[in-house]
Amino acid sequence: AQKITQTQPGMFVQEKEAVTLDCTYDTSDQSYGLFWYKQPSSGEMIFLIYQGSYDEQNATEGRYSLNFQKARKSANLVISASQLGDSAMYFCAMRENTGNQFYFGTGTSLTVIP
Amino acid sequence: ETGVTQTPRHLVMGMTNKKSLKCEQHLGHNAMYWYKQSAKKPLELMFVYNFKEQTENNSVPSRFSPECPNSSHLFLHLHTLQPEDSALYLCASSQDSGRGRGYSPLHFGNGTRLTVT
Repeated sequence: AQKITQTQPGMFVQEKEAVTLDCTYDTSDQSYGLFWYKQPSSGEMIFLIYQGSYDEQNATEGRYSLNFQKARKSANLVISASQLGDSAMYFCAMRENTGNQFYFGTGTSLTVIP
Repeated sequence: ETGVTQTPRHLVMGMTNKKSLKCEQHLGHNAMYWYKQSAKKPLELMFVYNFKEQTENNSVPSRFSPECPNSSHLFLHLHTLQPEDSALYLCASSQDSGRGRGYSPLHFGNGTRLTVT
């Protein structure tokens, strides 16, 4: 079974609008961490935001927020006030309590339309 | 100096060549990783080193050989590669703290775009 599922291969959003990128995960660990990364066309993977499984509040970092719904095992990324520079691939990832591995989804390609 | 530096940025090699990818991290992290990114696939973990010791080897073919001489440097030695090995190879580092104190993110380099001809 997939550890991380991103069901939206491509998304479009109007500049200055908000957009939600979906991510669901699968783990039996009680303790785990969830991450979102941005990968522009240049290739580097940029860390955006982190949510711990025991964190009671949703994480926020500037225009990024993580809508964490533990019971549904979802960790959606919300980008507010989209900018043209937000056009990129976005990857959801998880690290479990056991092992050293980070599991990544297949990514969502976001295009911001002027 | 950026956090994680990878060289070269681009590499074209024939199937009989031997080459090496280099990664250096300036973040004081204790874990380093090699990932392979192919089109339309999730990132594939290849190797993990924790305090210079290899802790993961994800069934990677022996034509890929990692080396971690210290916790700041990581190499990936390549020999007799196949065209399907063409991909973006990403190096990353993290601070592997004890469980229960949160999880540190991976910090990636810019990657090496490898083409095998």
